[in-house]
Amino acid sequence: RKEVEQDPGPFNVPEGATVAFNCTYSNSASQSFFWYRQDCRKEPKLLMSVYSSGNEDGRFTAQLNRASQYISLLIRDSKLSDSATYLCVVTPYSGAGSYQLTFGKGTKLSVIP
Amino acid sequence: NAGVTQTPKFQVLKTGQSMTLQCAQDMNHNSMYWYRQDPGMGLRLIYYSASEGTTDKGEVPNGYNVSRLNKREFSLRLESAAPSQTSVYFCASSEPREETQYFGPGTRLLVL
Repeated sequence: RKEVEQDPGPFNVPEGATVAFNCTYSNSASQSFFWYRQDCRKEPKLLMSVYSSGNEDGRFTAQLNRASQYISLLIRDSKLSDSATYLCVVTPYSGAGSYQLTFGKGTKLSVIP
Repeated sequence: NAGVTQTPKFQVLKTGQSMTLQCAQDMNHNSMYWYRQDPGMGLRLIYYSASEGTTDKGEVPNGYNVSRLNKREFSLRLESAAPSQTSVYFCASSEPREETQYFGPGTRLLVL
């Protein structure tokens, strides 16, 4: 079983739509959770951390369900600039003073005019 | 601040050739990482360095060596390149107890 699984998409949505991405992880010892964004042929960049209580950053809402080992990202009022691949990331603390991130393969979003 | 820089941006190698990918960061981070990204595989950790003077294997270390030259620089060496090493290589850095990693722009490597 893959450690972090995501629907690869692509998700093609019109501007203004609401879109949700899901992610499941297999390592119950995972401590921290993130969504990274990767534009075409660019490096990944942190979009937001995911907290157990759920958190929101503008049009983006992230949720975590530890019992189900499930993470979600909701994007409201989609913009053309939201077109990218969204990477679900989890990490157990390695204990060596360093975090090893485990990446999902990503979900591709295309927002259409 | 340049953040994380990588050289070269692109490289074509023949099977059996060697090369070193360079990475430097100016954020005074202690931890540095090398990943590869292949279509349909996601990012996979090759090696990491929790702090200057230490290096450890990640998920896919075979065929690679690393050197943490100093706090700023972390290089990745391919001693004898193989077509299976065709990939995009990303370097990243972070503070040891901060989970956010900052990535360089990547090196696109083609091994013929």
